[in-house]
Amino acid sequence: SQTIHQWPATLVQPVGSPLSLECTVEGTSNPNLYWYRQAAGRGLQLLFYSVGIGQISSEVPQNLSASRPQDRQFILSSKKLLLSDSGFYLCASPGFENTEAFFGQGTRLTVV
Amino acid sequence: AQRVTQPEKLLSVFKGAPVELKCNYSYSGSPELFWYVQYSRQRLQLLLRHISRESIKGFTADLNKGETSFHLKKPFAQEEDSAMYYCALRGQGAQKLVFGQGTRLTINP
Repeated sequence: SQTIHQWPATLVQPVGSPLSLECTVEGTSNPNLYWYRQAAGRGLQLLFYSVGIGQISSEVPQNLSASRPQDRQFILSSKKLLLSDSGFYLCASPGFENTEAFFGQGTRLTVV
Repeated sequence: AQRVTQPEKLLSVFKGAPVELKCNYSYSGSPELFWYVQYSRQRLQLLLRHISRESIKGFTADLNKGETSFHLKKPFAQEEDSAMYYCALRGQGAQKLVFGQGTRLTINP
């Protein structure tokens, strides 16, 4: 089965600083990969999804960007963090018909 | 468009009491419905899916296409059931997985 590695687990960053969260996948090839954000009291919001190298779709307008430099690597970035970027970020491989999705352990980002 | 609604952000019941976590969806085709659970300090994991029609940890969920619902039920709650529960939908042929807002379930002793 797949394993999603995500780091760091926690991160405290000042407003205006850059961000780079990394996600890597084991146990599968050419996976679809997603970034979700779990903001306080707001559930899981889909931010980006990628169906392959260099292919990124954005679900919501925001201060963040994503990149897929390698088949098993998915990166979430920001040039200048805002306070509203605080939240819990999850990388996921959503699976396909009749299979389950797999999630990373998440990164708790606090922007101060 | 795919949409999942969990009307209750918080739900608190006593140990041994029945539990029902509500989930309603909006999708024009035939969806795949899932319940995911996140226990304290653990990653999000699959609890059950409608295709399997199975009972996991005493939980069941039936897809009601007429009411567009997929409520999660357990007849007798246990303290270890305390967790965050997410209902999720994946559309036909698509891999995009859309989640509801989640319900935090607390089982009181």
